[in-house]
Amino acid sequence: AQKITQTQPGMFVQEKEAVTLDCTYDTSDQSYGLFWYKQPSSGEMIFLIYQGSYDEQNATEGRYSLNFQKARKSANLVISASQLGDSAMYFCAMREGTGANSKLTFGKGITLSVRP
Amino acid sequence: DTGVSQDPRHKITKRGQNVTFRCDPISEHNRLYWYRQTLGQGPEFLTYFQNEAQLEKSRLLSDRFSAERPKGSFSTLEIQRTEQGDSAMYLCASSLARGNSEQYFGPGTRLTVT
Repeated sequence: AQKITQTQPGMFVQEKEAVTLDCTYDTSDQSYGLFWYKQPSSGEMIFLIYQGSYDEQNATEGRYSLNFQKARKSANLVISASQLGDSAMYFCAMREGTGANSKLTFGKGITLSVRP
Repeated sequence: DTGVSQDPRHKITKRGQNVTFRCDPISEHNRLYWYRQTLGQGPEFLTYFQNEAQLEKSRLLSDRFSAERPKGSFSTLEIQRTEQGDSAMYLCASSLARGNSEQYFGPGTRLTVT
C-alpha cells in the first residue's frame, strides 16, 4: 500500500482565496511525523509545516495550517489568502517511528496554480 | 548563506561514465540525506548519514551507487557505469538529529545520461 497518497489532479485557486490540498497516509507506527514541502519550478524543496502524531493541536505556520485527522489518517494542508507565488508543486511526506529513523517518504505531489 | 549547497547543479554524461556529486549541509546539522526525484514523482530516499556513519541505505541504491561522508561534514554520491535510468534530480538534505526536525534541502543536481 502507498504510504502517502496525494490523488488530487492539478488544483486551481483564485488569488486571495483559501485552498486545501489533500494527503492521506498509512502507517502502523504510533509515533510519526507529517511534513509538507513546496517545490516551485526552480526545483528547490521548501519546508512549510510539521505535525507530530502526538500533537493535540493542528500545526499552523503563517498562512499555512495542517488539518490533522488522526483517525482518518489524513493531514491536509490549508493555504489561506493564496498568492501568485504559491503556484508550485506541494508534497506531503511522513517520517515513521522515533528519531533514529528519520528518512522521509513522499507522496507524488499536487500541482497548485493560483489565478490572478 | 548557510543553506544546503550542491555541486554541480547540472551534469550531462554519457552512459557508462562515472559521476560524483557533492553536498555541503548546514554546518550545525549532523544528519545528511540523499534523495532521488524523477519527473512527476516525489523524492525517493536513497541513504542517510549521522555524522560520518551511514545509517541506512535504500534498496534503490544499487551497488553502482556509493555515498560517503568522511569527516561528518560534506558528502559525496558517486554513480559508477551510469545508465539512462539514472537520469534524475539528486537532492541532498540535512537536519538536526532530533525526531521532529525538518529536513532542509539543497537545490539539487540534475543528472542527464545520454
